[in-house]
Amino acid sequence: DIQMTQSPSAMSASVGDRVTITCRASQGITDHLAWFQQKPGEVPKRLIYAASSLQSGVPSRFSGSGSGTEFTLTISSLQPEDCATYYCLQHNNYPLTFGGGTKVEIK
Amino acid sequence: QLQLQESGPGLVKPSETLSLTCTVSGDSISSNSYSWGWIRQPPGKGLEWIGSISYSGSTNYNSSLRSRVTISADTSKNHFSLTLSSVTAADTAVYYCARHGNTYDVMFDYWGQGTLVTVSS
Repeated sequence: DIQMTQSPSAMSASVGDRVTITCRASQGITDHLAWFQQKPGEVPKRLIYAASSLQSGVPSRFSGSGSGTEFTLTISSLQPEDCATYYCLQHNNYPLTFGGGTKVEIK
Repeated sequence: QLQLQESGPGLVKPSETLSLTCTVSGDSISSNSYSWGWIRQPPGKGLEWIGSISYSGSTNYNSSLRSRVTISADTSKNHFSLTLSSVTAADTAVYYCARHGNTYDVMFDYWGQGTLVTVSS
């Protein structure tokens, strides 16, 4: 099984800060990676697919990059509504695997 | 607009079988190139993919759950189902169904609202 390691597991940043979350795959997955945002009590929402394609309707401050084994989700200017937990998901191989999540809080 | 809705008992006794159904509206589950999956989230924890069934009926499962999981589909009712046998308290979670497929753009783009299943006597 492919292991997805996310870092950090939690972080706190100020409004307007640039935030970067990393996801590392235990083996190469080309660009078969998606990022999700989940707010408390809500359904996960896809932000990024194919590693770097922005989901329609998602603010442009969110971006994804990477290929192979290392991927990043960047929030260019953190907003209060971005408080959430973020997950990566690899879909290169079955079984599909999620990262452990990164909880982002506002300072 | 595609919609998915989970249904099933909210309480299951230990050692019994959990059964959930995901009813899909707005598209056919037998549409070419789609797969339909189950994901769960224990309280306060992360997301775990359970398994999926493709439009052709082929299935794939999480390695750690494979011995207890079955996913099936009823195209006449346009729904797919999850059964998880021999449940324990560790199976208490919110269970989601979602769409994915062979193309990047449909990869978990639609989710159900989720249903909480508690395993307790």
